[in-house]
Amino acid sequence: QVQLQESGPGLVKPSQTLSLTCTVSGGSISSGGYYWSWIRQHPGKGLEWIGYIYYSGSTYYNPSLKSRVTISVDTSKNQFSLKLSSVTAADTAVYYCARGIRFLEWLSPHFDYWGQGTLVTVSS
Amino acid sequence: DIQMTQSPSSLSASVGDRVTITCRASQGISNSLAWYQQKPGKAPKLLLYAASRLESGVPSRFSGSGSGTDYTLTISSLQPEDFATYYCQQYYSTGTFGQGTKVEIK
Repeated sequence: QVQLQESGPGLVKPSQTLSLTCTVSGGSISSGGYYWSWIRQHPGKGLEWIGYIYYSGSTYYNPSLKSRVTISVDTSKNQFSLKLSSVTAADTAVYYCARGIRFLEWLSPHFDYWGQGTLVTVSS
Repeated sequence: DIQMTQSPSSLSASVGDRVTITCRASQGISNSLAWYQQKPGKAPKLLLYAASRLESGVPSRFSGSGSGTDYTLTISSLQPEDFATYYCQQYYSTGTFGQGTKVEIK
């Protein structure tokens, strides 16, 4: 059973960089076939996909966030990470990491395993 | 960007009711649609993908249908544990979610 767990600061100051890590257990990121993703949910709102990384290091980001997002992977630790720069109050949200799977090769992924989520508040 | 519009935004139903939630895409998505269930304070849970394929372990009272731009999630007989918010997600292009449908107890 694959499990994902987010970790990182729950409070970030405006203009700073939000940094989160997702630790994967019960499966290896290096095995391939999955797209390790970040998704966020603003308080009381819907879901927004941020981006994903493949074990090889290739990434794809939501165009609306692309200029501020970096996702990286550390296969030796079975972790992947999110950095979101120049944050504002609008970035306050619950951040989820998730395992993405492509039904067909040319499609974007849908998400079959999720972490429990971590609330990040942007405030001075 | 492909926009996803769910309806209704909320509904009230009783245990045993048949419930239908609709998701409309702003352009055709060729059945590239997933449905998720989210309970308060929890992560979303995948219910169906490819519009109608049931994820392993999900009860058969959940079903999906549709084509082109219009898709439906049906719960054939609502159970107490089904009261939650449901989201659709298109993965034909990039990946966008609907705004959610909250299913409440009548």
